[in-house]
Amino acid sequence: GESVGLHLPTLSVQEGDNSIINCAYSNSASDYFIWYKQESGKGPQFIIDIRSNMDKRQGQRVTVLLNKTVKHLSLQIAATQPGDSAVYFCAVHAQWGAQKLVFGQGTRLTINP
Amino acid sequence: GAGVSQSPRYKVAKRGQDVALRCDPISGHVSLFWYQQALGQGPEFLTYFQNEAQLDKSGLPSDRFFAERPEGSVSTLKIQRTQQEDSAVYLCASSRMDLPSGANVLTFGAGSRLTVL
Repeated sequence: GESVGLHLPTLSVQEGDNSIINCAYSNSASDYFIWYKQESGKGPQFIIDIRSNMDKRQGQRVTVLLNKTVKHLSLQIAATQPGDSAVYFCAVHAQWGAQKLVFGQGTRLTINP
Repeated sequence: GAGVSQSPRYKVAKRGQDVALRCDPISGHVSLFWYQQALGQGPEFLTYFQNEAQLDKSGLPSDRFFAERPEGSVSTLKIQRTQQEDSAVYLCASSRMDLPSGANVLTFGAGSRLTVL
């Protein structure tokens, strides 16, 4: 089955710097990828998604990059703010026809003033 | 309401007790999911409904876990004879349509934190 891993469980950045959070997945047939943000005591909140027919997608201050060759996904947050402090999860749609998302273990992003 | 509502937010149960966790999805959302999130881990899939039909229950860890959505709206996750390893946050999520899809496809509730003593 699909497995999703993150390169770093924690990441600490200075306020105003850019943050990059990485994720690796195992199934080359995965077709849909999503980044979620989870603050303490809350459920995961959608940030941005990308389909397998794209390699880059931009949102407000966030960019997702998909490298299907090495099965790698990254989330870039520009000009990181204190409100960006949270745990970030990548989630992968496991296979065509199946509805479940497989989540990574998360990266905790801490912003230093 | 505008979001996915879950109740209770916190539940403490003695080992062996039965518990029921409720999820009110966003009105009109066809798909409903239950996930289990252990402390410090990512959510893990439990089960999926399309309207009232439970189409995938492959993630339910044992036959002590049971989920239903009888009228295609509210869903209940029931855990019988709770064990300490059942302690986790149980997340419910809903979506208008099946994956893969457009933005905001899966909206999560805040979760029900279950502690089994």
